Amino acid sequence: GDSVTQMEGPVTLSEEAFLTINCTYTATGYPSLFWYVQYPGEGLQLLLKATKADDKGSNKGFEATYRKETTSFHLEKGSVQVSDSAVYFCALLPTGFQKLVFGTGTRLLVSP
Amino acid sequence: EAGVVQSPRYKIIEKKQPVAFWCNPISGHNTLYWYLQNLGQGPELLIRYENEEAVDDSQLPKDRFSAERLKGVDSTLKIQPAELGDSAVYLCASSADRGSYEQYFGPGTRLTVT
Repeated sequence: GDSVTQMEGPVTLSEEAFLTINCTYTATGYPSLFWYVQYPGEGLQLLLKATKADDKGSNKGFEATYRKETTSFHLEKGSVQVSDSAVYFCALLPTGFQKLVFGTGTRLLVSP
Repeated sequence: EAGVVQSPRYKIIEKKQPVAFWCNPISGHNTLYWYLQNLGQGPELLIRYENEEAVDDSQLPKDRFSAERLKGVDSTLKIQPAELGDSAVYLCASSADRGSYEQYFGPGTRLTVT
């Protein structure tokens, strides 16, 4: 079945460091891919998305590129801030379905 | 624009008791989802509604869980009786229509069963 695998956390970084959170997926067809972020005490928010191969999603300095050849959608940010501390979820929406499939989440901790 | 509203935010009950969660989606959103999020895990879909019709309830444990969306707007998820293993966060989300990629999530209800 469809699945998403994320790197385990927590990821601990100093402010202004470069961030990469790895995400790979297994799915048939051409799923849409998403990164959601969950700040403490809040619901999930869509951070960025990509709907076809080679698309790059970007928002708030975060980027991820849909790589079909490696079935990956890694999240990157050039310079993290303390306010980026949150849990990040990679997710896919299978072709023809409305059911998001989430990874287990990666907690990011950014220290000043 | 108001977001997805859920209540209560927190609930503590004893096992074997009933509990209900309420969700009001974003105005105009026809599709409503209930997800279960266990600690340290990603959300998993329990049920999806298109207007008042439950179109995907394959993951809903129907022996103790039930849901309704009578007028195609707000929705209630119920557990009766609750078990210790039901302790989790219950998330509600909505999207504009069937073809929409983006789901908007509420803050969730954290349930603790003692």
